[in-house]
Amino acid sequence: GAGVSQSPSNKVTEKGKDVELRCDPISGHTALYWYRQSLGQGLEFLIYFQGNSAPDKSGLPSDRFSAERTGGSVSTLTIQRTQQEDSAVYLCASRQGGYNEQFFGPGTRLTVL
Amino acid sequence: QKEVEQNSGPLSVPEGAIASLNCTYSDRGSQSFFWYRQYSGKSPELIMFIYSNGDKEDGRFTAQLNKASQYVSLLIRDSQPSDSATYLCAVKVSSGSARQLTFGSGTQLTVLP
Repeated sequence: GAGVSQSPSNKVTEKGKDVELRCDPISGHTALYWYRQSLGQGLEFLIYFQGNSAPDKSGLPSDRFSAERTGGSVSTLTIQRTQQEDSAVYLCASRQGGYNEQFFGPGTRLTVL
Repeated sequence: QKEVEQNSGPLSVPEGAIASLNCTYSDRGSQSFFWYRQYSGKSPELIMFIYSNGDKEDGRFTAQLNKASQYVSLLIRDSQPSDSATYLCAVKVSSGSARQLTFGSGTQLTVLP
């Protein structure tokens, strides 16, 4: 079946602009995660959605970052007033309820000039 | 102290040798441990998980867990050039939200033909 998809695959923006990154999880997966990976670094947790529960936003680095998940499926990560330090690969992962394995999408490479 | 620590490497081994990748974690209450492989420019993929002390074998891969010493390792037997990648250790820490994983920064492995 289809895996996790993300769009766009690459995004170049100017400092101060807003960007939206999209994630389509695997159908039926109730959990969805956003991570950020800077060059040569591990994965930094950003936010976690589980079903209809309130999301765990504890990893969001500032109030410029927000995310929503509509209808328990597609999620959008929004970064307002982008800064150069926001440049990274943003990875989305989804997980089936009752299981631990997270399946990752291909990521969106964000470059802020 | 980072919650999950890995030697960043790079680690180089000759083809056919055993590659040993190590990971330590700080949260003694951690219960679930995962090894992800990430090829350059690609998203992470799960290769092993382990919950109980001891060894878990899957083909050429063996995960080893020692909760008393708070380390988990991954052994790759008969290493192949196709095993060259970054290996990420991930831990389900007790202080995190349900199903949230904390990742190490990864160990870069190169298998020399």
